[in-house]
Amino acid sequence: DGGITQSPKYLFRKEGQNVTLSCEQNLNHDAMYWYRQDPGQGLRLIYYSQIVNDFQKGDIAEGYSVSREKKESFPLTVTSAQKNPTAFYLCASSIIGQYPNYGYTFGSGTRLTVV
Amino acid sequence: DQQVKQNSPSLSVQEGRISILNCDYTNSMFDYFLWYKKYPAEGPTFLISISSIKDKNEDGRFTVFLNKSAKHLSLHIVPSQPGDSAVYFCAASVYGGSQGNLIFGKGTKLSVKP
Repeated sequence: DGGITQSPKYLFRKEGQNVTLSCEQNLNHDAMYWYRQDPGQGLRLIYYSQIVNDFQKGDIAEGYSVSREKKESFPLTVTSAQKNPTAFYLCASSIIGQYPNYGYTFGSGTRLTVV
Repeated sequence: DQQVKQNSPSLSVQEGRISILNCDYTNSMFDYFLWYKKYPAEGPTFLISISSIKDKNEDGRFTVFLNKSAKHLSLHIVPSQPGDSAVYFCAASVYGGSQGNLIFGKGTKLSVKP
């Protein structure tokens, strides 16, 4: 079955360390996205990519970096510059230009806790 | 400034009754709207959508209403069931927009009591 996989589900890191969250999809979707969810904040866009080797900053990109070397993969690195990295991170993918569409397919998320 | 607003952070209803979740938007260019349902520690899942050429879309117990003049949409769940307890996100997009991105509201937590 096609889907989008995030790993790991839970991640603990010490303050000051970089950490990379994995996101892989086998849906042949063009676009991929990273969101962060905090209580009362909804879903906030970190980065998105519509094509391999290209990505754009979202609303809260500071302290994060991404790469898109393959269509299937869009890893997110939370750097030590991110001041408040503890959050629930969601990856999503979508087809571009399909209308009507079902929007995004989301992964199951990664809970990052920085201690 | 928020383009998609869900002004009620939470809603509590009795099992069997109607749940009405509301969403307002400010960008008149939005032409496609979606509702997602999210359980704790899981990713959101698509629930129902509506394009701006319609004012109603129905799928089983779920109906979405769109009032373009008021820039308002609502999700009706009838009858509500305990398994409907989750956070519901409203999202909007512009077809063919430069990003094709969805703009999400902050969500409404629905609690359905047995």
